[in-house]
Amino acid sequence: DTAVSQTPKYLVTQMGNDKSIKCEQNLGHDTMYWYKQDSKKFLKIMFSYNNKELIINETVPNRFSPKSPDKAHLNLHINSLELGDSAVYFCASSHSSYQGPLHFGNGTRLTVT
Amino acid sequence: AQTVTQSQPEMSVQEAETVTLSCTYDTSENNYYLFWYKQPPSRQMILVIRQEAYKQQNATENRFSVNFQKAAKSFSLKISDSQLGDTAMYFCAFMNRDDKIIFGKGTRLHILP
Repeated sequence: DTAVSQTPKYLVTQMGNDKSIKCEQNLGHDTMYWYKQDSKKFLKIMFSYNNKELIINETVPNRFSPKSPDKAHLNLHINSLELGDSAVYFCASSHSSYQGPLHFGNGTRLTVT
Repeated sequence: AQTVTQSQPEMSVQEAETVTLSCTYDTSENNYYLFWYKQPPSRQMILVIRQEAYKQQNATENRFSVNFQKAAKSFSLKISDSQLGDTAMYFCAFMNRDDKIIFGKGTRLHILP
């Protein structure tokens, strides 16, 4: 059973396109996150949702819009893709308190050409 | 399948002591990378240290060092002279040649005053 699943695993697209990455967790967690991993393997938090409400919104371009239809899903939509958006994006989930460990998805490699 | 195991869900040590966090992994590959990430309450992920599997010398970064045992597939993190600011979740991670990264479940470290 996959705990945190992301789709697609790979995404290749051209500049200017709009794309979405989906994330689902079956752990019963109420908090979900999106992280961006750059080429140097640094992971930066982008967004965090708790029970469908946005609680962390780091400095991310407005072209990135998270959507949480329910607490088991957190999708990431990206408009007008740019070359600099190429990275691996990780979804994660946890219980709302900091006591809970973070469970990561396997990542989505986005390549913008 | 590649896996990363952190057998210590939680640890506590007194300030200024040395603490070792364990990590084991499983892979059939010969060339890969290993990482330790620190996650403070902000939920940001901070890269603490990295190790290339082809390098026999253990990586060090100031008070942080690793004990990399390739044959045993072990990659422990040692924190010397621990400080209150070291309190965080620590994730061990494995990356293969395809840049696929797999995280362990994390170890919650408490540094006590």
